[in-house]
Amino acid sequence: EPEVTQTPSHQVTQMGQEVILRCVPISNHLYFYWYRQILGQKVEFLVSFYNNEISEKSEIFDDQFSVERPDGSNFTLKIRSTKLEDSAMYFCASRGPGRETQYFGPGTRLLVL
Amino acid sequence: QQQVKQSPQSLIVQKGGIPIINCAYENTAFDYFPWYQQFPGKGPALLIAIRPDVSEKKEGRFTISFNKSAKQFSLHIMDSQPGDSATYFCAASISNTDKLIFGTGTRLQVFP
Repeated sequence: EPEVTQTPSHQVTQMGQEVILRCVPISNHLYFYWYRQILGQKVEFLVSFYNNEISEKSEIFDDQFSVERPDGSNFTLKIRSTKLEDSAMYFCASRGPGRETQYFGPGTRLLVL
Repeated sequence: QQQVKQSPQSLIVQKGGIPIINCAYENTAFDYFPWYQQFPGKGPALLIAIRPDVSEKKEGRFTISFNKSAKQFSLHIMDSQPGDSATYFCAASISNTDKLIFGTGTRLQVFP
């Protein structure tokens, strides 16, 4: 069964550094998402992406965040200058055309020191 | 208005019991209500979903009950098994926005 994959599984970085989290959505999916989950808390929407542009973004997704689909298979989330409070599990999700279900990847655990 | 409130925070049942997890929402524009199951270290996985035009949906041992007038919906797990031990999230979305608004999660433990 096709699945969403994410790399790396864990990332440790220093405050102020840039990080890029990578996702490979399911191959025929057209809608892509990033969510995050701070330890022990609920999953929060960050951004949705369709047709090479952002469809919607949350208040969390400020100027420090950006997303890109650099080629036909990858979808990335960049945090330009990480803060301590960016420490969380980041989930990528994708959805096929005409479908409601969002399929989530296993996540990247980001720790900012 | 964009919140989904979920209870209880945690739930312990014995094998064979019927845990019930409840969610409530305020925004009447929500029109899609999925439940996700999450095991430790994994991403959320869709379990079952419902739209507000039906009051109940059943898939295997999992049932969603939906009360549109009360703006509440709940997940029932029949004949629960130790393998059902996980965190369960309810969520809601509006078709034209697509973002999922998640509840705070319920940690379910099923003991043999």
